[in-house]
Amino acid sequence: QKEVEQNSGPLSVPEGAIASLNCTYSDRVSQSFFWYRQYSGKSPELIMSIYSNGDKEDGRFTAQLNKASQYVSLLIRDSQPSDSATYLCAVNDRGSGNTGKLIFGQGTTLQVKP
Amino acid sequence: DGGITQSPKYLFRKEGQNVTLSCEQNLNHDAMYWYRQDPGQGLRLIYYSQIVNDFQKGDIAEGYSVSREKKESFPLTVTSAQKNPTAFYLCASGAGWNEETQYFGPGTRLLVL
Repeated sequence: QKEVEQNSGPLSVPEGAIASLNCTYSDRVSQSFFWYRQYSGKSPELIMSIYSNGDKEDGRFTAQLNKASQYVSLLIRDSQPSDSATYLCAVNDRGSGNTGKLIFGQGTTLQVKP
Repeated sequence: DGGITQSPKYLFRKEGQNVTLSCEQNLNHDAMYWYRQDPGQGLRLIYYSQIVNDFQKGDIAEGYSVSREKKESFPLTVTSAQKNPTAFYLCASGAGWNEETQYFGPGTRLLVL
């Protein structure tokens, strides 16, 4: 059973701090990794994708991938109250062939306090 | 204005009733997906389709049915066989095949009367 694990939280950080969200996955052959943000009662929206080991930066967001440790993280710098949401980690399901399927973690709830 | 639309936003189902959730996309994506989300849970795949007139069961297909007669449309029917249908239903689309990025519609919240 392929799994994607996230700490459900809530993760609480003060405004302006760095929020660090973590995700581990079980399938060693996974190659594509995604972070989605989901506000309460809304649908997920894509924040970032990462495919290679190392860091990928987009504005205040940095995704970090370590395939050897099967670990992907999302850093949010200068956290704002508007960043308060649930963050979903998703990993491609390579075992299903080229289907485009993703496996989602249960999400980490982030609370940014003013 | 490109995107994915789902309707209705809220849907109420009576005992023994089949209901159909609509999903339309104008992104010219080949692949479409249906997920179910329960409170505090991640997304679970119900059905997916990579091409018109073809679809595959996901992890929790029992009690659901789909069709893919047009590239733009992927309706989901929740049948009376689904005994616990109350959930948030999310439709997504993507280029499919080797491109796994998925984009989500606004969702339909299904409640049982």
